[in-house]
Amino acid sequence: EAQVTQNPRYLITVTGKKLTVTCSQNMNHEYMSWYRQDPGLGLRQIYYSMNVEVTDKGDVPEGYKVSRKEKRNFPLILESPSPNQTSLYFCASSSQDRGGRNSPLHFGNGTRLTVT
Amino acid sequence: GNSVTQMEGPVTLSEEAFLTINCTYTATGYPSLFWYVQYPGEGLQLLLKATKADDKGSNKGFEATYRKETTSFHLEKGSVQVSDSAVYFCALSDRGSGAGSYQLTFGKGTKLSVIP
Repeated sequence: EAQVTQNPRYLITVTGKKLTVTCSQNMNHEYMSWYRQDPGLGLRQIYYSMNVEVTDKGDVPEGYKVSRKEKRNFPLILESPSPNQTSLYFCASSSQDRGGRNSPLHFGNGTRLTVT
Repeated sequence: GNSVTQMEGPVTLSEEAFLTINCTYTATGYPSLFWYVQYPGEGLQLLLKATKADDKGSNKGFEATYRKETTSFHLEKGSVQVSDSAVYFCALSDRGSGAGSYQLTFGKGTKLSVIP
């Protein structure tokens, strides 16, 4: 089954304790992205990756890191989490055609992070 | 930059009522337009899309027409069901600047509740 898998689904942590949220897709997609969803703000892009070893900042990258060492994985790293990073996080992926146009995004089921 | 504005919710309707969720956009060039749906506890799923002016996207009884003259992509359904209760996101995609770049901009989402 084609899917984007995020882990964990729920995470409660304390300020300053490094954490990683994993994301894996089995569709051989080139493009992957992380979003956070907050009430009244919709989805905001954190980071995205056009392909292996190619990453770039989205709209709200501060406090986050990503890596793309393999095509299928795109982990989100919070080196020193703070309470304002409490949010619902989504990973997504899509393919690109030869003309560079992306297919619609496939989303994971989300990771609800609480930082106290 | 690009932006998407959709009507604020929540929207509460009785079963079999007519649904309209307004969406307007601002973009340079010729974006593709999407509606995504998020059911409780899940990630976003593509509901329908349109890639050029006057295209009509449709799926599961929902429709939206790409109107370039009014920069709109309103979502409609003639008779909603309780199972349609979800959050609906309007979005646009653009090639962005630079070779291979890709921008996807979301509206803030509209929560729909359908009561029996």
